[in-house]
Amino acid sequence: DSGVTQTPKHLITATGQRVTLRCSPRSGDLSVYWYQQSLDQGLQFLIQYYNGEERAKGNILERFSAQQFPDLHSELNLSSLELGDSALYFCASSVDLGRSYEQYFGPGTRLTVT
Amino acid sequence: AQTVTQSQPEMSVQEAETVTLSCTYDTSESDYYLFWYKQPPSRQMILVIRQEAYKQQNATENRFSVNFQKAAKSFSLKISDSQLGDAAMYFCAYRSPILTGGGNKLTFGTGTQLKVEL
Repeated sequence: DSGVTQTPKHLITATGQRVTLRCSPRSGDLSVYWYQQSLDQGLQFLIQYYNGEERAKGNILERFSAQQFPDLHSELNLSSLELGDSALYFCASSVDLGRSYEQYFGPGTRLTVT
Repeated sequence: AQTVTQSQPEMSVQEAETVTLSCTYDTSESDYYLFWYKQPPSRQMILVIRQEAYKQQNATENRFSVNFQKAAKSFSLKISDSQLGDAAMYFCAYRSPILTGGGNKLTFGTGTQLKVEL
């Protein structure tokens, strides 16, 4: 168990809908990262938050957004869903202080868009 | 932008034998971090081993060790005394130094599926 929790584990929804994925980082970790794993694109970085502020953006679609709350949990919002958004979405966290740099991954949320 | 290449989509190893998974990367940075992650059928991403580019000594974690060749931009993973539980997808990953402008994202290779045979 990495200490990172993600809910829900599975999500099945229809095209055009909106969903919210939730992540709670390990205790003490300030950074939260979101990654998407799909057959087509492999493992891709979406976005990073550090202590409530957006730090970096990757290949994140405009239909997707995220935020990190004062208690450091994060939510990834996916809207106007398309079939191609079906994927495993991982949240990872790290301390990002000094030279501490390991990212620990949650179990993922498997999203199926039908 | 950094890229990570894993040229072996699949590898097989006999139980108790040794196997080496290859990874190459491309970067213009001199300080960075490299990782190997394991993804078993459960899909959980598990950190196996890390290497800091400024360290010349190769990292070792129990049966797992790396061969880090900075000049060649090569970072291979050696698994000794392979066990059935080692069967998984293995991803090589690159991370820029902390607090650079690009954030601290991981850039992953495409993975190598390791099969362990009796």
